[in-house]
Amino acid sequence: GENVEQHPSTLSVQEGDSAVIKCTYSDSASNYFPWYKQELGKRPQLIIDIRSNVGEKKDQRIAVTLNKTAKHFSLHITETQPEDSAVYFCAATLRDNYGQNFVFGPGTRLSVLP
Amino acid sequence: SAVISQKPSRDICQRGTSLTIQCQVDSQVTMMFWYRQQPGQSLTLIATANQGSEATYESGFVIDKFPISRPNLTFSTLTVSNMSPEDSSIYLCSVGSGPWAGELFFGEGSRLTVL
Repeated sequence: GENVEQHPSTLSVQEGDSAVIKCTYSDSASNYFPWYKQELGKRPQLIIDIRSNVGEKKDQRIAVTLNKTAKHFSLHITETQPEDSAVYFCAATLRDNYGQNFVFGPGTRLSVLP
Repeated sequence: SAVISQKPSRDICQRGTSLTIQCQVDSQVTMMFWYRQQPGQSLTLIATANQGSEATYESGFVIDKFPISRPNLTFSTLTVSNMSPEDSSIYLCSVGSGPWAGELFFGEGSRLTVL
């Protein structure tokens, strides 16, 4: 089955700096890679996703890159702000599977220091 | 995306008791899931709630401990039976939704503390 690893487990950056979180997956059949942000005491929320036919996707200050050959994908946050402080989870699954078979990484706790 | 409501949002329970968590979605969805998030941990799938048939459980989770109902396409319940302190977790209902029904969205979660 699929296995997703995520690094680092914790990350502290100064406000305004960039943050990068990396994930690797094991199943080459996976073709959908979402990222979730979970603030303290709140539900995980989908912030960006990428499909395997795309190498990069950007949405304002966040971007995700995918390297299918190496089976890894990364979340990039630029110009970090204190409200970016949260736990971030990556996941991998087969697209068009109606939400099934999502495998989540262990999470990265991001702290943005003012 | 679907709006997912869960209740209770939190509860404190005594060892040996059972608690049922309800999940209501504002639209019909094909797939509903129950996840567990232990303190400081990631999201672990407990089971897929199938409408009109028995739930499909993941390895390590059994129906006797986590019975699930799904009477229709907008509602599901998860019961945590014979609770022990190890069951203290956040339990999250989720659905496959979005334009292609494959994006996963979560309810607010139910935080259970077992004493």
